[in-house]
Formats: sequence, C-alpha cells, structure tokens
Amino acid sequence: QKEVEQNSGPLSVPEGAIASLNCTYSDRGSQSFFWYRQYSGKSPELIMFIYSNGDKEDGRFTAQLNKASQYVSLLIRDSQPSDSATYLCAPAGWGKLQFGAGTQVVVTP
Amino acid sequence: DVKVTQSSRYLVKRTGEKVFLECVQDMDHENMFWYRQDPGLGLRLIYFSYDVKMKEKGDIPEGYSVSREKKERFSLILESASTNQTSMYLCASSSTGWDTEAFFGQGTRLTVV
Repeated sequence: QKEVEQNSGPLSVPEGAIASLNCTYSDRGSQSFFWYRQYSGKSPELIMFIYSNGDKEDGRFTAQLNKASQYVSLLIRDSQPSDSATYLCAPAGWGKLQFGAGTQVVVTP
Repeated sequence: DVKVTQSSRYLVKRTGEKVFLECVQDMDHENMFWYRQDPGLGLRLIYFSYDVKMKEKGDIPEGYSVSREKKERFSLILESASTNQTSMYLCASSSTGWDTEAFFGQGTRLTVV
C-alpha cells in the first residue's frame, strides 16, 4: 500500500466553482505536506506547504490538514481553466520525497 | 533561478542497451531524486541521494542503478534497457531540511524499442 493515496480523477469542475481534492496518508508520523501542481507535459511545481492542523490559505488555494483523520486536502476556489492540471500531494520530511498518484482536475468553461 | 537540467528531452534506445540519464543542478542541493512517471501510476521514486556517493532505494529500484560522484550531478543507469522501462523520467533536487521545496528538471522521455 502506498503511503499516500489520492483519487486519480479526472475531477471535472465548472469554471468558477470550488475544486476539492483529498489525500489520505497511512504514516501517523507525517506532520506536514506539500501540494505540487503539474501541467500536462510539464514538470511538477510547488504550490502549497502545510505543517499544522487546520487551514492554510494562499490566494485561491486553501490546504487543510487533519492529523487525527490522516488526510490533507486542497481547495481551489473560483476555479479557472488555467487550474486544469494534475495535483500531487507528498508528505514532507527528511530524506525521501514520495508522491501520491495525483488527481487530475479539469475545469470546464 | 534554480536550475535542474536533464541531459536529453527525448531518447530512443534498443532493448539490452546500457542507458545513462544525466541530471545536473546548480543550487548546491544535497538531495537529488530520480522518478519515473507513467499514466495512472503517478510519480514513483526510483532512487534518492542525500550526499555524494550516498543513495537510498525508492519504490521501484529494480533494473536501475545510480551514481553520484559530484554533488551537482546524479545519474540514472539502466543496466540493460527493457521495453517496460519506456517512460518519462524526472530528476529533482532539494536542499537538506524537512520542509524544503523540490525543483524538477524538464524530464526525459525514454523509449526502449
């Protein structure tokens, strides 16, 4: 079993709506998480880092971490066609960086 | 700007060939990673290096080896290429720390025929 599980999608979201992506993890020792975005044909790039329970907001993006339930989520408000991409979560830590399979988001005009 | 450069964007090799994929970073990062990416399987870690000559296996090391003789360069070696190693290969680097961002190269699309 992978350490991090994500629904691969695609998640179809109307333009202007909220996209909600989830990531569950098995290692209770994981304390913080990255969210990376990968456009088709491009390399992943970091968009969010969250290290404490609760919410972290950055523009239209909100990351939520719930350590008791072992999930981390990413909300994209007012989704735009430019948000169409694959979103990857990964637990932070010293050493290896291992990603979930990623969730593909498709924002439809 | 952080730069991670992979030696080839596209590569076609024959079954049984020894293949070298090279990655160079210019940010003095301690950590370097090799991943392969396949549709539906996401980004899978092949090998990780945290220092010169130091390496750890990732999720799928079988059929691969790595070399890190200099801090800025991390090579992935396919000892005897097989068709099931046809994939997109991505290199990344990061500095030491629990919360440091990884920067990726542009990827190498390897086709083994």
